Amino acid sequence: GAVVSQHPSRVICKSGTSVKIECRSLDFQATTMFWYRQFPKQSLMLMATSNEGSKATYEQGVEKDKFLINHASLTLSTLTVTSAHPEDSSFYICSASTFGGGVDTQYFGPGTRLTVL
Amino acid sequence: AQTVTQSQPEMSVQEAETVTLSCTYDTSESDYYLFWYKQPPSRQMILVIRQEAYKQQNATENRFSVNFQKAAKSFSLKISDSQLGDAAMYFCALLGGNTGKLIFGQGTTLQVKP
Repeated sequence: GAVVSQHPSRVICKSGTSVKIECRSLDFQATTMFWYRQFPKQSLMLMATSNEGSKATYEQGVEKDKFLINHASLTLSTLTVTSAHPEDSSFYICSASTFGGGVDTQYFGPGTRLTVL
Repeated sequence: AQTVTQSQPEMSVQEAETVTLSCTYDTSESDYYLFWYKQPPSRQMILVIRQEAYKQQNATENRFSVNFQKAAKSFSLKISDSQLGDAAMYFCALLGGNTGKLIFGQGTTLQVKP
């Protein structure tokens, strides 16, 4: 149980285009989903927290107009990187949690490697 | 503010031996959870072990166990009978308060030598 999928696993795009990454909880309902960014050999950096049906809460320094997050259902959250630039190239990881429902553990997706040319 | 510190950027262990990864944390919350996650080269984050702060008994999961010292705010991970597949980056994480956010340490890269 507690499986989280992420799609695509890898994406290469041209500068200026937008990219959408999907995060799905496959066998549980996630009240909260989190989006992280990770640079090589570094820790995970939280970008935003999304709760189903409400606006995402962004961490300080994260541009909400650039990284659009939608959490339309209890099993799906999407991250759209708008007008991507080479500096947006990174590894993006989502996690899902039933926080508030008695289970506080975050389960992670396999990540998406974004390369912007 | 809540913080998690992993002071060992890299560790190595001989196959079949035991290794301990260190983690210290700071929080003003009375109710919190601590985790160890493993990130192998595939980069998939895998939950290794979880500890509720209110439980005095140290959590164990097969070859993995923790030494939870609440007063000292220490949460080390012991890996017994190390296997080649244990080679990964290990992250200590703290969950406290009502935000649901995980606070991660810097990570420790574990190398297992055959």
